[in-house]
Amino acid sequence: GQNIDQPTEMTATEGAIVQINCTYQTSGFNGLFWYQQHAGEAPTFLSYNVLDGLEEKGRFSSFLSRSKGYSYLLLKELQMKDSASYLCAAMDSNYQLIWGAGTKLIIKP
Amino acid sequence: DAEITQSPRHKITETGRQVTLACHQTWNHNNMFWYRQDLGHGLRLIHYSYGVQDTNKGEVSDGYSVSRSNTEDLPLTLESAASSQTSVYFCASSEQGRETGELFFGEGSRLTVL
Repeated sequence: GQNIDQPTEMTATEGAIVQINCTYQTSGFNGLFWYQQHAGEAPTFLSYNVLDGLEEKGRFSSFLSRSKGYSYLLLKELQMKDSASYLCAAMDSNYQLIWGAGTKLIIKP
Repeated sequence: DAEITQSPRHKITETGRQVTLACHQTWNHNNMFWYRQDLGHGLRLIHYSYGVQDTNKGEVSDGYSVSRSNTEDLPLTLESAASSQTSVYFCASSEQGRETGELFFGEGSRLTVL
């Protein structure tokens, strides 16, 4: 079957760095996506990886290893506004997104 | 600015009633999707459309239907609401091309079925 695993909840301190991991098993693979979702709001697109390696976008970076079925989202210089859920999604061979349940990130002062 | 809007934002209904959730986008996107989001689950795809007159079933389509008569709208209908359909529903759209995984989401519709 198809499956996405990510931690349910993480806690980090303002100003620090946090890494949110995601492992995936899909029928075929057409890319790995990360979305941010603040409580009570809609998900918003953060990043897309289809090739191995690190993609950097400001304070956020996303890494992919296709051979390991593994990705992570790295958030630097954490701010209180980064408190949100982070959703990992893999696109399968039918171009359907398979979603993880999300990681709730709590930022403490 | 282009946007995607859902209505109603909140709805309480009774078991057995028909409910329609509206979704309207001004991005001029061909692809539109309906998801439901429940605690402990990832977003689950209900139905999707790649263009006018095209509709497809997702992984949790039982009890739901959609129609696509124009580019802008993809209404979601619950034929006979059940308590198991209490959820938050998100509509989303994306640019043409099935490989496009960058979705633009509406603000969600919270449905409670009593």
